[in-house]
Amino acid sequence: KAGVTQTPRYLIKTRGQQVTLSCSPISGHRSVSWYQQTPGQGLQFLFEYFSETQRNKGNFPGRFSGRQFSNSRSEMNVSTLELGDSALYLCASSWGTMNTEAFFGQGTRLTVV
Amino acid sequence: AQSVTQLDSHVSVSEGTPVLLRCNYSSSYSPSLFWYVQHPNKGLQLLLKYTSAATLVKGINGFEAEFKKSETSFHLTKPSAHMSDAAEYFCVVSDEGSGNTGKLIFGQGTTLQVKP
Repeated sequence: KAGVTQTPRYLIKTRGQQVTLSCSPISGHRSVSWYQQTPGQGLQFLFEYFSETQRNKGNFPGRFSGRQFSNSRSEMNVSTLELGDSALYLCASSWGTMNTEAFFGQGTRLTVV
Repeated sequence: AQSVTQLDSHVSVSEGTPVLLRCNYSSSYSPSLFWYVQHPNKGLQLLLKYTSAATLVKGINGFEAEFKKSETSFHLTKPSAHMSDAAEYFCVVSDEGSGNTGKLIFGQGTTLQVKP
């Protein structure tokens, strides 16, 4: 069974640009969550989508947004990139019910220059 | 609010010796707790999970963890370390008890070094 697929694996963008990251969850999973990982802040929750609806949101500015499609694939978008947005962005998929574990993709490494 | 604290940022052991990675949690609810491992330039892999069944949880690669409510701890152990165990380990609590299904709260991580 295929795992969680994130594309692209690496990105280099310039300050002020915008970027879109993609995540394909495990087949059958309806929940997709996004996390930002940085050396200073560790792993922080961005948002979670379930059946095309944003169900939870972390404490990030409005420049960070996402969406989920009917096939459960998800995208996250960051507009007006800042140097501090450089991070590993991880996507996790799960069934979306209580007590179920999340399965993570390998992440997208975003570098803002 | 729910939180986890990993008590050691770095642990170094010799190959073949026991591993102990410590984690304390804070939760107003009966928590769901997890340990994940991250190898360099890789995503996160689930080692084991606790969801209010048996307090001693067995995971992959010989790891296990014991949930102790009285001590609010969920320490990860392995009887004998292998070189391939060198990685970053995260203790994680689910925030679903607060109604935030799908949100995981991560500890700061423990780097495990295994010396030959």
